[in-house]
Amino acid sequence: QQQVKQSPQSLIVQKGGISIINCAYENTAFDYFPWYQQFPGKGPALLIAIRPDVSEKKEGRFTISFNKSAKQFSLHIMDSQPGDSATYFCAASSGTYKYIFGTGTRLKVLA
Amino acid sequence: NAGVMQNPRHLVRRRGQEARLRCSPMKGHSHVYWYRQLPEEGLKFMVYLQKENIIDESGMPKERFSAEFPKEGPSILRIQQVVRGDSAAYFCASSPMQGLSYEQYFGPGTRLTVT
Repeated sequence: QQQVKQSPQSLIVQKGGISIINCAYENTAFDYFPWYQQFPGKGPALLIAIRPDVSEKKEGRFTISFNKSAKQFSLHIMDSQPGDSATYFCAASSGTYKYIFGTGTRLKVLA
Repeated sequence: NAGVMQNPRHLVRRRGQEARLRCSPMKGHSHVYWYRQLPEEGLKFMVYLQKENIIDESGMPKERFSAEFPKEGPSILRIQQVVRGDSAAYFCASSPMQGLSYEQYFGPGTRLTVT
């Protein structure tokens, strides 16, 4: 019940396309859902986050869509660029510090 | 405005030696978290500390692992008598004040290799 399931494991997108990464959870107590971007050899960097009281949050080319009833949330990267090639992690927490991370999606954007 | 700092960035230890990983949180942050990342996996929570206090160590193995965050100086994750299975990337994160902000900011990590 503490798991966050992330898919796909890897994703290849053409430059300019839309990258979509999905996460699903079981624990209805989760109330904070961040996305992190990690480049090889670097630490995860907070990209965007959402709370369950909104269904969508947009920051630049990055959008989180949140479906509370389905217990799913997704990251959309619009106009994907080669510089977006990285591993993306979703996470969830239940009002506390303990993040439960997904297993990651390795995104490759082709030039 | 320096971010979370970790050192060393890479650490090689032989089986049975001790590994000591250091983390300096962002300025103004008083909460530190340690995570472990195995190859091709997500990050797993290990321990949460405030200055001079361990708040939650539920994700940390009961033996050989310990963590501290002294009043002065960095937080330290200590692994005694390392084994090959300890090889991983260890990340530290910090936040300003738990309860007011859920955001955690990660350092670059320490990659531990046990030979």
